[in-house]
Amino acid sequence: GAVVSQHPSWVICKSGTSVKIECRSLDFQATTMFWYRQFPKQSLMLMATSNEGSKATYEQGVEKDKFLINHASLTLSTLTVTSAHPEDSSFYICSAEGRLSYEQYFGPGTRLTVT
Amino acid sequence: AQTVTQSQPEMSVQEAETVTLSCTYDTSENNYYLFWYKQPPSRQMILVIRQEAYKQQNATENRFSVNFQKAAKSFSLKISDSQLGDTAMYFCAFMKHVNTDKLIFGTGTRLQVFP
Repeated sequence: GAVVSQHPSWVICKSGTSVKIECRSLDFQATTMFWYRQFPKQSLMLMATSNEGSKATYEQGVEKDKFLINHASLTLSTLTVTSAHPEDSSFYICSAEGRLSYEQYFGPGTRLTVT
Repeated sequence: AQTVTQSQPEMSVQEAETVTLSCTYDTSENNYYLFWYKQPPSRQMILVIRQEAYKQQNATENRFSVNFQKAAKSFSLKISDSQLGDTAMYFCAFMKHVNTDKLIFGTGTRLQVFP
């Protein structure tokens, strides 16, 4: 149990286009999901906290108009990178909060390359 | 604000030996959770072990155990009988003891287990 999937696992897009990444909790309902960004050989940096049915809470320094987060259901949150630039290239990881508040289950990540 | 520090960027250990990874943190909270996560080359985040701050007893999961020193704000991970599959990045993380709070990660320690 407690499986989180991400789609796609790898995406290449051209500069200026938008790309959507999906995060799904497969066998449980997640009121809260988190989106992280990880640069090579670095730690995970929280971008935003996504709550079902409400607006996401963004961390300081994260552009909310660039990184659009939608949490329309208890099993799906999406991250849309708008007008992507090469510096947006990174590894994006989502996690979903489980039944207990201290449980976070991580997706396998999405590698985004912007050319 | 909470901070998590991992002072060992890289460690290596021979198979079957024991290795200890260090982690210190800073917080004014009294109740919180501490975690060790493993990130193998696949980049899937895997929970290794969790410690509740209000519990004095150190957490243990098979070959993995922690040395939790609350007064010193120290939370080290001991891996016994190291296996080649333990080769990964290890992240120490902190979470406040409230409903739906974020994980704060350290910078990580890259562990290499060699034959």
